[in-house]
Amino acid sequence: KQEVTQIPAALSVPEGENLVLNCSFTDSAIYNLQWFRQDPGKGLTSLLLIQSSQREQTSGRLNASLDKSSGRSTLYIAASQPGDSATYLCAVPHKLVFGAGTILRVKS
Amino acid sequence: EPEVTQTPSHQVTQMGQEVILRCVPISNHLYFYWYRQILGQKVEFLVSFYNNEISEKSEIFDDQFSVERPDGSNFTLKIRSTKLEDSAMYFCASSEGTSGLGEQYFGPGTRLTVT
Repeated sequence: KQEVTQIPAALSVPEGENLVLNCSFTDSAIYNLQWFRQDPGKGLTSLLLIQSSQREQTSGRLNASLDKSSGRSTLYIAASQPGDSATYLCAVPHKLVFGAGTILRVKS
Repeated sequence: EPEVTQTPSHQVTQMGQEVILRCVPISNHLYFYWYRQILGQKVEFLVSFYNNEISEKSEIFDDQFSVERPDGSNFTLKIRSTKLEDSAMYFCASSEGTSGLGEQYFGPGTRLTVT
């Protein structure tokens, strides 16, 4: 049974800092991995989907990497802004199995 | 930009009542999903739906739950005889392609409160 873990559970950083969020999964036989953002009381916004054949995927200030063999993915956020404050979730398909998320707070 | 929509945004019901949560997936998507998130807990998969039938369901999705695509645009989740523990945020999602492995796009959710 696939299990997804995210570290850290919470992170507070000053504006402008670069940061890394970690996601690990127990079953490495995955097709892809998806990163989401969730604002309080809101839905999930897809940030990036990284295919199993890819090692990295970039969108603006976000960069996701995937290492299937070690069962890990990281989400790198460059030059963080207060508007980045949210909960970040990773999930693996196909019935998406979610991690508990990392609550990010960027202080201005 | 196309998006998944859900109605209502908040539903309050009494224990034992039936509720229907509605979703309009992105128009060219073929796979549809329901997830739920109990307050403070992880997002959990309930069911996936493709080609007018359930593709996969979780242990949570028991006989109390049913899904339907009543027309070409709507996708519904019915909960019969609601229980207090059904109180949660329910999310609909959709993806394109026929594999069910594509990027999933989520709606804003329906907050269900069972009293």
